Amino acid sequence: GAVVSQHPSWVICKSGTSVKIECRSLDFQATTMFWYRQFPKQSLMLMATSNEGSKATYEQGVEKDKFLINHASLTLSTLTVTSAHPEDSSFYICSALSGLADNEQFFGPGTRLTVL
Amino acid sequence: AQSVTQLGSHVSVSEGALVLLRCNYSSSVPPYLFWYVQYPNQGLQLLLKYTTGATLVKGINGFEAEFKKSETSFHLTKPSAHMSDAAEYFCAVSGAGEYGNKLVFGAGTILRVKS
Repeated sequence: GAVVSQHPSWVICKSGTSVKIECRSLDFQATTMFWYRQFPKQSLMLMATSNEGSKATYEQGVEKDKFLINHASLTLSTLTVTSAHPEDSSFYICSALSGLADNEQFFGPGTRLTVL
Repeated sequence: AQSVTQLGSHVSVSEGALVLLRCNYSSSVPPYLFWYVQYPNQGLQLLLKYTTGATLVKGINGFEAEFKKSETSFHLTKPSAHMSDAAEYFCAVSGAGEYGNKLVFGAGTILRVKS
């Protein structure tokens, strides 16, 4: 099956710094990737849709200047959390659209971000 | 617009007992429906999906779900629970085909399996 990787799997940073998270589709090309965040004991909330070669589409309430998304190739999307603060601490998960007609998304293993 | 309601944030069953996790959806377009499982600090793994065709869908690890349009439900079942089934389960809906590919998730149900 299709495999999606994320790097790093966890990161701890100081408040005010920026953190970049990578999402890669390893064995397929993904024109569309999605970024989610998941707070403890909560469901996944879609942050943005990332399309290769174009600007990301952000969900309502998500600050595009704080969560920078770049989808520079068909296998890589990056999420940069700029000027991170403790309230940005969360589990960030990406997914990649398989391109099949059934709209199945393949999920990465997630990145745990802790901002001190 | 689409939404998903999962009844019961926690479900507890004995090992070997029937597992039933409930999911109801709302969708203004034909839906595709998914069940995912998540183990602690991991991503999501697809259990099964309904797109078109047969309404009874069989997935991995002995799980199955039935799409009931009249009841707008997609409940997940497994005849006999195993300890390894303990995890969190998410039901999700997207639009079918050209109706959109965004997933909307339910709040999740934590399944506990007692020995």
